[in-house]
This record gives sequence, structure tokens and C-alpha cells, in this order.
Amino acid sequence: QLVESGGDLVQPGGSLRLSCAASGFTFNFYEMNWVRQAPGKGLEWVSYISSDGNNVYHADSVRGRFTISRDNAKNSLFLQLNSLRVEDSGVYYCVREGELTPHDAFDIWGQGTVVTVSS
Amino acid sequence: DIQMTQSPSTLSASVGDTVTFTCRASESITNSLAWYQQKPGKAPKLLIYKASSLETGVPSRFSGSKAGAEFTLTISSLQPDDFASYYCQQYQSFPWTFGEGTKVEI
Repeated sequence: QLVESGGDLVQPGGSLRLSCAASGFTFNFYEMNWVRQAPGKGLEWVSYISSDGNNVYHADSVRGRFTISRDNAKNSLFLQLNSLRVEDSGVYYCVREGELTPHDAFDIWGQGTVVTVSS
Repeated sequence: DIQMTQSPSTLSASVGDTVTFTCRASESITNSLAWYQQKPGKAPKLLIYKASSLETGVPSRFSGSKAGAEFTLTISSLQPDDFASYYCQQYQSFPWTFGEGTKVEI
């Protein structure tokens, strides 16, 4: 199970930190991602982190503003959102990659946390 | 970036119909393709991985296939619970990319 938190209403240029608590599986075995969905729109991949946290990737739209991280000791995934823009608004999902290597489909999704960027 | 072109954007169908929608990748993604179902206000749910493997617990009326660069999701005998949006996604190379989605309507 994945449970996100931290979503909120924030002004443009502001910051947020999203958290995702994992349970029911061995968190440090799995690669993790964040995926977002703007209101009424499709799915957009945001960020990836390897199981040990040593490799990360971000979408071009958020690179330099968002940072993904994890704490395997606390079974937690994070996304730091800085310099937020109106177009960053949406539901943010914490997502687990399956076990196939080198990469796999997203087999477990959290319920999502809502980020609203507005003045 | 690998572009995923999904069609149609909307599909009207009835209970019992067999429906098919497609996803085309702009370059080779081997079999690194997944299909997800999403209902309004809910998180997406994995249906198919590795182009044609059925996720555990997903009804067998869902199937996936590949022909060249085109991937297909077929729902046989559409059920009321199947009216939703469906997305394809490639996980061959970063950035992971999704298709625009297909909404299945009554």
C-alpha cells in the first residue's frame, strides 16, 4: 500500500514537500516514481528513483525545480516541489515499479494527493 | 522522447461488445508497454504489462498484443465495470511516457 500526503494550495513560486508511506512490501527492493495528472487531463510521469536512491530522473518539465528522494529505513518516498507554477497543479501519485528488470510497469499506485498552485 | 500515440480518444460501446484500441510508439520499445484502466476520481490500475501479460487479478476478457510498432488492448464482452479511461505507457527508456488515453463510453 502507498499513502501520499503533503498536497496543498500554494501560491506560484512557492514550495511543497510530498510524502509517500509504503507498507506491505519490502520497500528497499523497489524502484519508485511520481506520476501526476492535471485536472481533466492525462497521466504525466514526473520523477524516478532507483531502489538504493543512487539514480534519479526527472521529466524536463520539472527538472531543476523538483527533487525526488527516499528514506528506505522509514519506507518513505518524497518529492520536493520548488518554484511551483500554475501548470504544476493536479493529483500527484506515488507509484511502485514491478519486479521485472531493467524496468517494469507501475503495479501499485497510491490514492494521490492534490496540489493546487494558484494566487 | 518516445511519443505514444493512442487511438481513438473516445469509443462508444455497449455491454457485451468487443472493443479494441491501439497505441503506437514513435520508436522501438520492444515489449516494454503497459496498459492501465482509470475510473473517475480513482488512481490508475495496471491491466497488462510487457505488452501482453495479464496482471494478477485482472479478468481474462482483457488482453494485449503487439504487431510491429503497434500495441493493442482488447476487451472481450464489455462489462458495465469496464466503462473507464485507458492509458498505454512505455517503460523502455526515460522519460517514461503515456498515451493520451481512450475513454470508453456507453
